Amino acid sequence: EDKVVQSPLSLVVHEGDTVTLNCSYEVTNFRSLLWYKQEKKAPTFLFMLTSSGIEKKSGRLSSILDKKELFSILNITATQTGDSAIYLCAVGTNAGKSTFGDGTTLTVKP
Amino acid sequence: GAGVSQTPSNKVTEKGKYVELRCDPISGHTALYWYRQSLGQGPEFLIYFQGTGAADDSGLPNDRFFAVRPEGSVSTLKIQRTERGDSAVYLCASSLLSKPTNTEAFFGQGTRLTVV
Repeated sequence: EDKVVQSPLSLVVHEGDTVTLNCSYEVTNFRSLLWYKQEKKAPTFLFMLTSSGIEKKSGRLSSILDKKELFSILNITATQTGDSAIYLCAVGTNAGKSTFGDGTTLTVKP
Repeated sequence: GAGVSQTPSNKVTEKGKYVELRCDPISGHTALYWYRQSLGQGPEFLIYFQGTGAADDSGLPNDRFFAVRPEGSVSTLKIQRTERGDSAVYLCASSLLSKPTNTEAFFGQGTRLTVV
C-alpha cells in the first residue's frame, strides 16, 4: 500500500523564522512528488518534483527531492502570517493515482 | 468559469438518503480526480477519470459509492444509503495532461457533506 508521511504534524513559529517541512514516502512506481498549500478548502499547487537533487524555488519557498532516501523537504524562509496553512505532500505514480500525506499545519504568529 | 467548480458547497442529508455531488472541471482538462478529506487528514483518493472512463476506482470505499463522467467533462459522485461516516469534504481536481501526475492538479473548493 502506498504511504506518505509528513512531519511535523504541526508547527508554530514567529514571523521571520525559517521552517522546514518533511515528507517521506513509500510508493510503487513513483512518478512525481507534489507540494500543495491548503488554506481553506482547495489545495493550491506549489511545486512538482521528479528528479533528485534539483531544487525548485519560488520566492521564499523552495523544495528538493531525494529519490534514494525517499523524502522531500519544503523550506520557507522569512515566514509571514500569510504562510499559515496546511502544507500537503502528494506522491503520484505512473498509473495516475496520487497519495497524500496528512499535512503539516503551520501557524505563523506576528 | 476559470477554475474547478463543485456544487453544492454544502450538503446536509439524513442517514440512508442518496446524494449526488457535482464537479465541473477546467475546460479541456482530460484527467479528473475525486478525493475525500476528513478533519485533520490529507485528501484520500477515491477515483480518477481519464476522459469518460474511470482509469482507477480503487479508492472507492464500497459499492455505495459510484462516479460517472459521461461526456468527459462534468463528473458526478453518487453516494447511496449515506452513513454518518461518509461526512467529510469531497474534493474534485482536474489536470491537463494524459499523465496527470506529471503536472499540477487544480482543485475545486469542495463539497462539505454532513450526514445526520
